[in-house]
Amino acid sequence: EDQVTQSPEALRLQEGESSSLNCSYTVSGLRGLFWYRQDPGKGPEFLFTLYSAGEEKEKERLKATLTKKESFLHITAPKPEDSATYLCAVQARTGANNLFFGTGTRLTVIP
Amino acid sequence: NAGVTQTPKFQVLKTGQSMTLQCAQDMNHNSMYWYRQDPGMGLRLIYYSASEGTTDKGEVPNGYNVSRLNKREFSLRLESAAPSQTSVYFCASSEGLWAQGLETQYFGPGTRLLVL
Repeated sequence: EDQVTQSPEALRLQEGESSSLNCSYTVSGLRGLFWYRQDPGKGPEFLFTLYSAGEEKEKERLKATLTKKESFLHITAPKPEDSATYLCAVQARTGANNLFFGTGTRLTVIP
Repeated sequence: NAGVTQTPKFQVLKTGQSMTLQCAQDMNHNSMYWYRQDPGMGLRLIYYSASEGTTDKGEVPNGYNVSRLNKREFSLRLESAAPSQTSVYFCASSEGLWAQGLETQYFGPGTRLLVL
């Protein structure tokens, strides 16, 4: 059964304090792993897609990496505007084209 | 481009009432999806439409029906609402062209539904 586990559930950082969010996954053949950002009361906003182990993608202070069992979202020198819930999702090679989501990591960056 | 739009933004229903949630996208995407998001749980797929004219069940389809009205619009209907359907509903769309690496799903702002 496809499964996505994100940790930690919540993370509080001081502005400028770098850290990483983890997404562990079990899927019957990975088609792609997706990272989204979700602000309160809003829909998920696409950040990255990773397709194969070893792949890395960057956007401003965010960098996503992928191994065969997990993905990390590294946040370098975060700012208060990076506060949000970060969602990880996987898509399997077989079955429906839907995304299977984790429950997210709620990030708070304190000025 | 507005992207994915959803109406209404918020709705309160009584048990047994029916309603239709509307979704439209202006990105010329082939595939559309309906998810629900509940506290402590990840987004879960209710129904999806891989292309115009087709619909399929997702993980939690019971109590819902869908209609792919045309390429732009995908509606979700609750025939007889139940308190367990209190949730936030998100519509998403994608190109549906995985071979071209175009499978990213883009989400709407959500509809918050409360069933009393």
